[in-house]
Amino acid sequence: LAKTTQPISMDSYEGQEVNITCSHNNIATNDYITWYQQFPSQGPRFIIQGYKTKVTNEVASLFIPADRKSSTLSLPRVSLSDTAVYYCLVGDGNAGNMLTFGGGTRLMVKP
Amino acid sequence: GAGVSQSPSNKVTEKGKDVELRCDPISGHTALYWYRQSLGQGLEFLIYFQGNSAPDKSGLPSDRFSAERTGGSVSTLTIQRTQQEDSAVYLCASSLGGRQIPLHFGNGTRLTVT
Repeated sequence: LAKTTQPISMDSYEGQEVNITCSHNNIATNDYITWYQQFPSQGPRFIIQGYKTKVTNEVASLFIPADRKSSTLSLPRVSLSDTAVYYCLVGDGNAGNMLTFGGGTRLMVKP
Repeated sequence: GAGVSQSPSNKVTEKGKDVELRCDPISGHTALYWYRQSLGQGLEFLIYFQGNSAPDKSGLPSDRFSAERTGGSVSTLTIQRTQQEDSAVYLCASSLGGRQIPLHFGNGTRLTVT
């Protein structure tokens, strides 16, 4: 199992860039790295996914070094509405029970 | 389009009663997952269905928990003889399947056992 480790919590201010790093030392060759965002009373929502190098979409960037043992979710210019829990998920979608979530990072954005 | 739908959104039951939680996945999604999330905690994997294959039940915490998926679509998670420690949010997710396909989650059923 590709166990993940993330900081429990982070604080930031509106307009700042936030970087959340996830460690996954025993990532397997077939594993993808996926980040989810969860608001209270809602299910997690897909943010971004990558395999290696850098991926960017309209809401975030994902940086993955060559050894793939960690990944960093980058949120540009956060707003109060980005306050949420962010989960890093490492796994192969073909192996259902391997899709195990870590504890997540609780991001608090302050005005 | 329609997302993953779960019902009921809230369920309060007495200790010892059985409960059934329902999940309607996104149409066409072959993979379906159940997770459990206790208050303030991360997601705990329970069970995984992929197409017509036998489900992966390795995450079910006890034999009081069971799940089925009829016709490759709707899934029901059943908890027999509920205990207070079963109180949690039960989340269902579906995906198209395949290595990199992301999961789409419903908003969960909040189960409270009194």
